[in-house]
Amino acid sequence: QVLLVQSGAEVKRPGSSVKVSCKASGGTFSSYGITWVRQAPGQGLEWMGGIVPFLDASNYAQKFQGRVTITADKSTNTAYMDLTSLRSEDTAIYYCARDHGCHGGSCPHDFDYWGQGTLVTVSS
Amino acid sequence: DIQMTQSPSSLSASIGDTVTITCRASQSISSHLNWYQHKPGKAPKVLIYAASTLEGGVPSRFSGSGSGTDFTLTISSLQPEDFATYYCQQGYSSSFTFGPGTKVDIK
Repeated sequence: QVLLVQSGAEVKRPGSSVKVSCKASGGTFSSYGITWVRQAPGQGLEWMGGIVPFLDASNYAQKFQGRVTITADKSTNTAYMDLTSLRSEDTAIYYCARDHGCHGGSCPHDFDYWGQGTLVTVSS
Repeated sequence: DIQMTQSPSSLSASIGDTVTITCRASQSISSHLNWYQHKPGKAPKVLIYAASTLEGGVPSRFSGSGSGTDFTLTISSLQPEDFATYYCQQGYSSSFTFGPGTKVDIK
């Protein structure tokens, strides 16, 4: 059984940065992607970006380009999401999830295991 | 980026009803479409991947169809635990996107 455990809630000042971790267990970390999704209060799910650890390749939603960095440490099976220049609109629950990638010959990139979510509050 | 739309944005239904939610992509995404159920305070849960394949452990009252730009999620015989928000998500381009969600509540 794959388990993703995220770091705890954070309160940050506007203009600062936050780094959220996501530790995986019970599966082959490097064989799948890890993706990050957030949900602001009263809003829907928003894909931020992802990484494929065995390729050490990441990609990001255009909206977050230049502000977000996603990394992975294969030695500890942990992925990280670093968001800089925080503003109040970044207050949200941040989720990591496993990107399953491909099922046989089709690659729908569904997110089949999720972390418990990390609340990040940006407030002065 | 590929834009995803969903309709309706919300609906009210009764236990036992059949509910249909539509998702449309701004360009063809083949069958690279996934559906999620999200309840407050919990992580989202994948229901259907690749447009029509039921995720393991998901009840068979959930079904998905479509390809190209138009997709449908159907919930047959709605159960109390199905009241939630449902999202579609495209996995076609390297920049994944979710639809805005459809909230299903009790009539």
